[in-house]
Amino acid sequence: SSELTQDPAVSVALGQTVRITCQGDSLRSYYASWYQQKSGQAPVLVIYGKNNRPSGIPDRFSGSSSGNTASLTITGAQAEDEADYYCNSRDSSGNHVVFGGGTKLTVL
Amino acid sequence: EVQLVESGGGLVQRGGSLRLSCAASGFTVSSKYMSWVRQAPGKGLEWVSVIYSGGVTYYADSVKGRFTISRDNSKNTLYLQMNSLRAEDTAVYYCSSGWSLDAFDIWGQGTMVTVSS
Repeated sequence: SSELTQDPAVSVALGQTVRITCQGDSLRSYYASWYQQKSGQAPVLVIYGKNNRPSGIPDRFSGSSSGNTASLTITGAQAEDEADYYCNSRDSSGNHVVFGGGTKLTVL
Repeated sequence: EVQLVESGGGLVQRGGSLRLSCAASGFTVSSKYMSWVRQAPGKGLEWVSVIYSGGVTYYADSVKGRFTISRDNSKNTLYLQMNSLRAEDTAVYYCSSGWSLDAFDIWGQGTMVTVSS
């Protein structure tokens, strides 16, 4: 199996842009998906595939990828975006799933 | 309404067994990738197992040989049979579904499993 590495914590000023990254060898072969998890709640899918947003996810959320790094960008962060963010993808076998350790986003 | 509802969590002694259920509505479990994902208290998400629409199953190394994922199409329900439970299996267990293996678009509310030593 492979690992995905995320920064433990990131902060952003209200209304500014923040990028959350996810690194791992499997990202050279597979896209990452991104999840938002607020305290005491189940995760919510915010980005999947090349850069797709499920219905209901604001367009300030976007995804990108380069080499072994996937990124989630929030353009114009809002107070309600404060949460933990997790990336995932398939591992090198293609049949297992791996999650990153999560990034706690604080909106100042 | 599309939703997943887990049940079956609780307190169990080390070495014991528990079966989790996940009832789906608004879609059929046999049409999607169905996974279990867990989250230990204060920790991150950990993928546990998946069952493909065709019935193929895969497990994380940490649970292989102890956990079994299955589904009952007639009941539109996903299951996770957990045997030989360890303290490190203590977590909230979520069932989730997706149109691809690694994009979980629907999540249940989670069910807590506590393994006492």
